[in-house]
Parts: sequence; structure tokens; C-alpha cells
Amino acid sequence: GAVVSQHPSRVICKSGTSVKIECRSLDFQATTMFWYRQFPKKSLMLMATSNEGSKATYEQGVEKDKFLINHASLTLSTLTVTSAHPEDSSFYICSAQTSGSYNEQFFGPGTRLTVL
Amino acid sequence: AQSVTQLGSHVSVSEGALVLLRCNYSSSVPPYLFWYVQYPNQGLQLLLKYTTGATLVKGINGFEAEFKKSETSFHLTKPSAHMSDAAEYFCAVSDRFSGGYNKLIFGAGTRLAVHP
Repeated sequence: GAVVSQHPSRVICKSGTSVKIECRSLDFQATTMFWYRQFPKKSLMLMATSNEGSKATYEQGVEKDKFLINHASLTLSTLTVTSAHPEDSSFYICSAQTSGSYNEQFFGPGTRLTVL
Repeated sequence: AQSVTQLGSHVSVSEGALVLLRCNYSSSVPPYLFWYVQYPNQGLQLLLKYTTGATLVKGINGFEAEFKKSETSFHLTKPSAHMSDAAEYFCAVSDRFSGGYNKLIFGAGTRLAVHP
């Protein structure tokens, strides 16, 4: 149980285009989902926290107009990187949390974004 | 504010040797503590967690960790390393009393290399 999927696993796009990444909880309902960014050989940096049906809460320094997050249902959250630039190239990981789970987050496999 | 310090960004051990990965935390309230493992180009997998009760926590793949409040530590150990243990390991802390959702604060990670 507690499986989280991400799609796509890998995406290459041209500079200036937008890319959407999906995060799904496959066998549970996620009241909260988190989006992280991981630079090569670095730790995970929390970008934003989203609760179903409400606006995402962004961490300091993360541009909310560039990284659009939508949490439309209890099993799906999306991250859209708008007008992507090469510096947005990174590994993006989502996680999902249920209530009453001792704050355990279940992580997706990640999405490798490369912006040319 | 909570923080996590992982001593040693790289640890190298021989196959069959003891694995010790160090983690110290800072928290104003009793924390939840986690160890995650990440294999190349993959998401994070939970190894073990401490929430309450017994301070020695056993996890998957033969790993265990001990919560030592007096030392604010949560070091990860395994008696005998396998080649398959080579990966990146992250220690994380979460605030237990915030209610609702809680953010994970990650350490910088420790890359474990296992050589024959």
C-alpha cells in the first residue's frame, strides 16, 4: 500500500515552454501533497505544500507564478513549470501524506526535467 | 526552528563491515525522526521512523536507529554492509505537535559506498 506515482518520469522540453508533472496517490487519499526539488548530489528542497481544494503554500524564494500547483482531488496534484528555462532543469519529487500517519510522507519516484 | 545535521557527506565501508551514518537534530519540541534511502534517479524510500515508544527502531534491510534525546541524535546503523546498500541516505525531522500536516526537514544526505 501507500504507493505514489509521478508522470512523466523524464521530460525534455525547449526553453520557454511549460511542462506539467502529475503526482498521484494510487491506493490512498492524500490530504496533503508536497513538491520537492533536488539538485544534483544535493538534498531535497521543499517547494510547496498543497492541500486538496485550497491554494498551495509556497516556501520562501519559490516563485508561485512560475511553479503552479493544483491539488484538485484527494489523489492528484500537478506541478506546472511555466516558461521553463535551463536553470529549471532538476529532479522534481512529490510526496503524499494522509492524516493520522505520524506525518509519514510517501514519495513518488521523481521526474527528471531537462530544459534545452 | 528545526534542523538536521548529517556528519559526513560520504561514507565508505567494506562489504560486511559495520555501517554507521550520523544524524543530529535540533528541535524545540519532541520530534518525529526518519531515515530515508534514495537510489540513483529514484524517489525516497522510508527505512525507519521514530514517533514514540521504544527508542531503538528497527527498519527494513537490516537497518536500525536509536533515538537519544540527551544527545539529540538518531544515528543509523547496520551490522554488516551489503553491496546493495550503496545509496544516498537522508535523515529527516518533523514537528510532532503542529497538527494537520507537518513539513519534513531533511539533512544534506550521506552517500554510502560499499566496496568489496
